[in-house]
Order: sequence, then C-alpha cells, then structure tokens
Amino acid sequence: NAGVTQTPKFQVLKTGQSMTLQCAQDMNHEYMSWYRQDPGMGLRLIHYSVGAGITDQGEVPNGYNVSRSTTEDFPLRLLSAAPSQTSVYFCASSYSDGTVNYGYTFGSGTRLTVV
Amino acid sequence: SQKIEQNSEALNIQEGKTATLTCNYTNYSPAYLQWYRQDPGRGPVFLLLIRENEKEKRKERLKVTFDTTLKQSLFHITASQPADSATYLCARDSGGYQKVTFGTGTKLQVIP
Repeated sequence: NAGVTQTPKFQVLKTGQSMTLQCAQDMNHEYMSWYRQDPGMGLRLIHYSVGAGITDQGEVPNGYNVSRSTTEDFPLRLLSAAPSQTSVYFCASSYSDGTVNYGYTFGSGTRLTVV
Repeated sequence: SQKIEQNSEALNIQEGKTATLTCNYTNYSPAYLQWYRQDPGRGPVFLLLIRENEKEKRKERLKVTFDTTLKQSLFHITASQPADSATYLCARDSGGYQKVTFGTGTKLQVIP
C-alpha cells in the first residue's frame, strides 16, 4: 500500500505560471482534501471532495481549482501562480461512513516556491 | 467561524514526565476532535479520534479528553521520551461530510 502519493515533492514556479499538483491514493477513500501549511498559520483547507464528481471549497480556495474524476485521484491546479502561494501543500484522504471521518492519511507534501 | 486554538508556544518537558497539550474550540461543540503528530518535513500522522460523547480515549501512552463544558480537549503523553518530540495538531470535525479544521499545533520537546 502506497497510501497517499503526492508529486512533485519540490517545485519552483515563476509568477503567472500554472501547474498541477498531483495526488493519488490507493486506499479507496471517498474523502480527499488539499491543505496548505504556512508558518504560524497551521493547515488551511483549500478544497475538498466527498467522492468522485463532488468537490467543494475550503477556507482559502481562491487561485486554485480541483476536480475529482476518479476515487483515486484529486489534482490541485494553480491557475496563475503568485508569490502568496508559496507554501507546503498537503493532500489527505480518509475513510468516512457519512458520520465519522476516521482520521486523515496525509501525503508527504509538495514544497512550492513562487518567484 | 469555527475556530480551533492551540498554544503556539513550545512545550519543553523532562523525559519520563507526562506532557499535556491543550486544544480549545469556539462556538458549538464539534462532533469529533482528532489529534495528529507532525515531524519536520513530513505530513501529519493521525493518532487518535475522540467523539463528543466520550470523556476520555486511550491508546498506549496517549490519552485524550473532551470537555464540552470547557470547550477543550487535553492530549497527554505519559512517560514521555525524546522520540515523542514533534508538533502535535488538533483538528475539529463536525461529522458527516464536513470540513476538518486544524489548529496551528504545539511543538513538544522532550529533554533527556
């Protein structure tokens, strides 16, 4: 079991460039989320999905898009990178029975720098 | 808004002592609170989940409490070891397919 796999691990972008952060899980989890982590700010939710074809916004969705065409994959797209998007991005998945979210499994993170 | 707050100051304790970390929440009580451990450069790792109607939950040297009157959860590590040094995150979950909101975490340093 690979768990949650994120690629790339590191990325440097120029302002205005776009890119996609990949996230895949092999645990058949319905619930997937993207968080960004900044010093002193903790983990902030960007977007989340409760199943294939269903996505919703989190706390800081501006500048990011997501889609969920399969249970396994949940890519995060940066539309036009800005220095404020410099951060560490974590993808996470969990099993939920619709009542209880049984704890996230996190990926190892993508460290993104926008110059 | 539904906030979750953790003491941002680092906690230093002597090896063998019990470490106690605090998580406070605002507004209505979440259905669940989750606790995670995060080591530098790594993603958080899930440790424990406690439900609103549970007063206490244990797992090996870990103990979590949930006090809806104080709007607080306490996370205890007994017989602490240097290997327990990490940042510990608290998260609130309102249940169902709801957003999970994290606190900023408390850094624990266990001194040999």
